[in-house]
Amino acid sequence: AQSVTQLGSHVSVSEGALVLLRCNYSSSVPPYLFWYVQYPNQGLQLLLKYTSAATLVKGINGFEAEFKKSETSFHLTKPSAHMSDAAEYFCAVTLGGASKIIFGSGTRLSIRP
Amino acid sequence: NAGVTQTPKFRVLKTGQSMTLLCAQDMNHEYMYWYRQDPGMGLRLIHYSVGEGTTAKGEVPDGYNVSRLKKQNFLLGLESAAPSQTSVYFCASSLDRSTILYEQYFGPGTRLTVT
Repeated sequence: AQSVTQLGSHVSVSEGALVLLRCNYSSSVPPYLFWYVQYPNQGLQLLLKYTSAATLVKGINGFEAEFKKSETSFHLTKPSAHMSDAAEYFCAVTLGGASKIIFGSGTRLSIRP
Repeated sequence: NAGVTQTPKFRVLKTGQSMTLLCAQDMNHEYMYWYRQDPGMGLRLIHYSVGEGTTAKGEVPDGYNVSRLKKQNFLLGLESAAPSQTSVYFCASSLDRSTILYEQYFGPGTRLTVT
């Protein structure tokens, strides 16, 4: 069975600093991986997704993630944090043809002025 | 195109009361899902449906029932609410699994408090 682990329930960075949110997955076959963002009092929105086309995936709002099979990781990065990036971020995994997505427990990102 | 909508947005119930949460999508999606979100636990799947007239249990189905009588609607019912069901409930929908590019589209959520 597949699963995801997000390291760090809360990450705080200064405005303009690098954002790094960690996600490790467990899957016996090549997975599909997602990052979703949830702004306060809203539903989840897709940031980006990996479906085996390219290991470096670019998403919305300047975020990107790199699929590293050897490390079973799919970390989310952004070179320069903006105040508007403050939100909760969820990593998720599924298998091709599966009807369900498994979500991680989430990482809350705070931005310091 | 409204996407995924949920009603109501907020609700307070007393223990033992019943209610139904409605989810509607206008994207002609085959799959629909109900999740609950609790602090520190991410999203947990309650029930899901892979097409009109079908439903299946997810990770935490106890205390909930669902129905998918129409393709665009997915109802979540609580027959006898308990304080442990205090949570934020999200509905989502997606295309069928024949496309590898499928993703889930989420509604805005329903905040339920059971006293």
